[in-house]
Amino acid sequence: DAGVIQSPRHEVTEMGQEVTLRCKPISGHDYLFWYRQTMMRGLELLIYFNNNVPIDDSGMPEDRFSAKMPNASFSTLKIQPSEPRDSAVYFCASGWTGGNSPLHFGNGTRLTVT
Amino acid sequence: QQPVQSPQAVILREGEDAVINCSSSKALYSVHWYRQKHGEAPVFLMILLKGGEQKGHEKISASFNEKKQQSSLYLTASQLSYSGTYFCGTGPFTGTASKLTFGTGTRLQVTL
Repeated sequence: DAGVIQSPRHEVTEMGQEVTLRCKPISGHDYLFWYRQTMMRGLELLIYFNNNVPIDDSGMPEDRFSAKMPNASFSTLKIQPSEPRDSAVYFCASGWTGGNSPLHFGNGTRLTVT
Repeated sequence: QQPVQSPQAVILREGEDAVINCSSSKALYSVHWYRQKHGEAPVFLMILLKGGEQKGHEKISASFNEKKQQSSLYLTASQLSYSGTYFCGTGPFTGTASKLTFGTGTRLQVTL
């Protein structure tokens, strides 16, 4: 199994630019999560999907952030326009509805907004 | 609200034991434990469910006290490979990997 795949691994962009982060979950998993990790706030849940449907986006910081999951094998997190305070590591994770199900994290995207 | 972990950091010599605590202000139904090495993704260690205790990884075990809304992770005879940051994640539902809120993290360093 290839695990959760995220791209790009690193992204450096200028303030005001649009940023799109991509995630391919593990096949068969019906939950997908986007987390953001910073030194100050730790791991924060931004949004999660169940069977491609957004269930809870209360963690999305502002309207500048949006996420989609057009099918079971792909999700995007978009920031438009980006700001320096968005700099963080963004993790995608997937899981499934079965009992005792752990989260499987991707390797993350390190975003730097200058 | 974010679970609180203690201690924030701990340094051990190889072979020593450690306990990491996770406390929540909300009722707990499930607690996940993860370890993250520097520059890497968090990796699942084990999950504890309301009413049960599950040992899941190497010489690492955990307990879950529902009344106190706490979980503790026990690392026995620590190895260099145990170094990393440990996170607890608390969930509103039993088992299903939904909407985990992660704790503040405990940085563990094991030395020779």
